[in-house]
Amino acid sequence: EAGVVQSPRYKIIEKKQPVAFWCNPISGHNTLYWYLQNLGQGPELLIRYENEEAVDDSQLPKDRFSAERLKGVDSTLKIQPAELGDSAVYLCASSLEPGGDNEQFFGPGTRLTVL
Amino acid sequence: KQEVTQIPAALSVPEGENLVLNCSFTDSAIYNLQWFRQDPGKGLTSLLLIQSSQREQTSGRLNASLDKSSGRSTLYIAASQPGDSATYLCAVNDYKLSFGAGTTVTVRA
Repeated sequence: EAGVVQSPRYKIIEKKQPVAFWCNPISGHNTLYWYLQNLGQGPELLIRYENEEAVDDSQLPKDRFSAERLKGVDSTLKIQPAELGDSAVYLCASSLEPGGDNEQFFGPGTRLTVL
Repeated sequence: KQEVTQIPAALSVPEGENLVLNCSFTDSAIYNLQWFRQDPGKGLTSLLLIQSSQREQTSGRLNASLDKSSGRSTLYIAASQPGDSATYLCAVNDYKLSFGAGTTVTVRA
């Protein structure tokens, strides 16, 4: 069974440029998560989708970040414009069903460097 | 807001020694707790998931305990090997995962 797929794995951009990350969850997983992980810290939730609906985006900086999950399968996270402080690893995870008691499976992440 | 703390931040042991990693959390109203492993530059690999009704979970050389009332979990790794060198993260699930900062383990050959 294929795991969570993310691309690109690495991205280097200059500040003020736009950037997008893509995630394909495990087949059949209805719930998808985007996390931000700064160096030396644990991941923090940005947004959670149940099917195509964003049910928790309270931690997403909406002035520059946006996300979509069309058709309730793969998802894209966008930053426009990027700032130096956005340099981090962006992780995508999925779980089989909604609900807090389901195990989450993580992708390899996208490491973003903003110059 | 759920706060998760992992102590120690780093640990170095000789090969063969048992590892004990600690995790504490502030709000005991959780669904479950997960332990993850993260290798440098890689994503998170789930090691163990303990449901809130369970006291412990075992997988091979790994054993995790959960004391929800005191807000503590411990991950034991028996007979450590150099391949166990990684960062170990615990995360509590109260409808979203809240992570600790991790314990970076180095096992010396």
